[in-house]
Formats: sequence, C-alpha cells, structure tokens
Amino acid sequence: QSALTQPASVSGSPGQSITISCTGTSSDVGGSNYVSWYQQHPGKAPKLMIYDVSNRPSGVSNRFSGSKSGNTASLTISGLQAEDEADYYCNSYAPTRMVFGGGTKLTVL
Amino acid sequence: EVQLLGSGGGLVQPGESLRLSCAASGFTFSNYVMSWVRQAPGKGLEWVSSITNSGAGTYYADSVKGRFTISRDNSKNTLSLQMNSLRAEDTAVYYCAKYLAPGIPYFDYWGQGTLVTVSS
Repeated sequence: QSALTQPASVSGSPGQSITISCTGTSSDVGGSNYVSWYQQHPGKAPKLMIYDVSNRPSGVSNRFSGSKSGNTASLTISGLQAEDEADYYCNSYAPTRMVFGGGTKLTVL
Repeated sequence: EVQLLGSGGGLVQPGESLRLSCAASGFTFSNYVMSWVRQAPGKGLEWVSSITNSGAGTYYADSVKGRFTISRDNSKNTLSLQMNSLRAEDTAVYYCAKYLAPGIPYFDYWGQGTLVTVSS
C-alpha cells in the first residue's frame, strides 16, 4: 500500500492558480473514481474539499476543482487566497483499502 | 451537530498495548462506516482501518494488520481501536472519521485526534 505521489510543495501569489498532482497506479487512482482531496491547516483535522474526482461538498468554494487523467489526479485552486495556505492530501479508495498521497504544502507568497 | 470525541491516547513502551475510543453523537452511528486515520509528527495522513456499519467487515492497512483490531458498539455509539505490540513507528495522532454518507467513502467529519507516543 504505497502512498500516492504528490509534490512536496507548491507556491503561488494571491490571485494566481496552482495545480497539485497526485500520481498512483491502475490499482488505485487509475482504476477508481473514488478520488478525493483534503485540506489540512496546522494543528487541525483535515477537511474534505473534493470527492468523486471533481465534486465539491456543500460549502467548499468553487475556486477548488478536481480532475483525473489516467493514473494522475489533480487539484486546481484558482484565485489563490491567503487562507488557502495549508497542506493538501489526495486519497484513493478501493474496496478493503484506502491510500493517501504524501501531502503537498501550499504556500501563498 | 456531529461530534467525534477521541480518547485513550498516551505514552507507552514498545511492545505494549493501548485502546483508543471515539464517542460519536449527532448522527445515526449505526448507518455509517467508521475509520481510523493517523498522522505521525510532521508527516502525512495514513489510513489505518475501517469497519462497516454493522461491524461485520473490518479492513486494515498492511502496516497494522495482525496487531490492531477495530471494533464498534452501535448501542453505545462508540468506535474503538485496540493496538497491540506497539512500535515506535506507530507514534502518531490518531483520528476517528466518518463516511460522508452510507457507502460513500469520504470523510466529512473527523475527531480532534488523540496522540499515541511509543517510546522507551
């Protein structure tokens, strides 16, 4: 159960857009539409931001969007705001197991 | 209001055991798959275990299989994680979490986390 591969860090200026990738295999990301993204601020519990690859839960800003191509899922944040600075984790679910990405630290410059 | 209140963490020596609990309220506990997710200090999230709403099905990460046991008491709205043969690498904050909806494998509510430290 290897972790999904994410870049360790990304950065962007307020108002810009950034994309975080999440690479797995055909056994997880590539073979599942149960892909999600979580945001975690320091000292806080994670928050669900995207599920089913590209759906947003109620209350999550439409600046957050998700997509998938092959074995790689992506999270795009447009119109960066200071409050977006956090760690982001992708997640893939398959019956009997679940795997997270290693996490990406987003810095808003 | 949905609440998940974890407890039972602490400092233990390698090889010892510990039992975590998670008290749930604000939703129909018996309808939802529940899980434990952990986070080692300064590290990322790691799924540990999940249990079906009835308790009949249990699933574990390879890293804890054979050492940890997840269980639930639907009459008491309580989720538990029995951790045996603890190792230094089990040191982490342990979160209990509930699925977004019955059969929908995303976590919409998380507990506050309980710290487990395994050290001699």
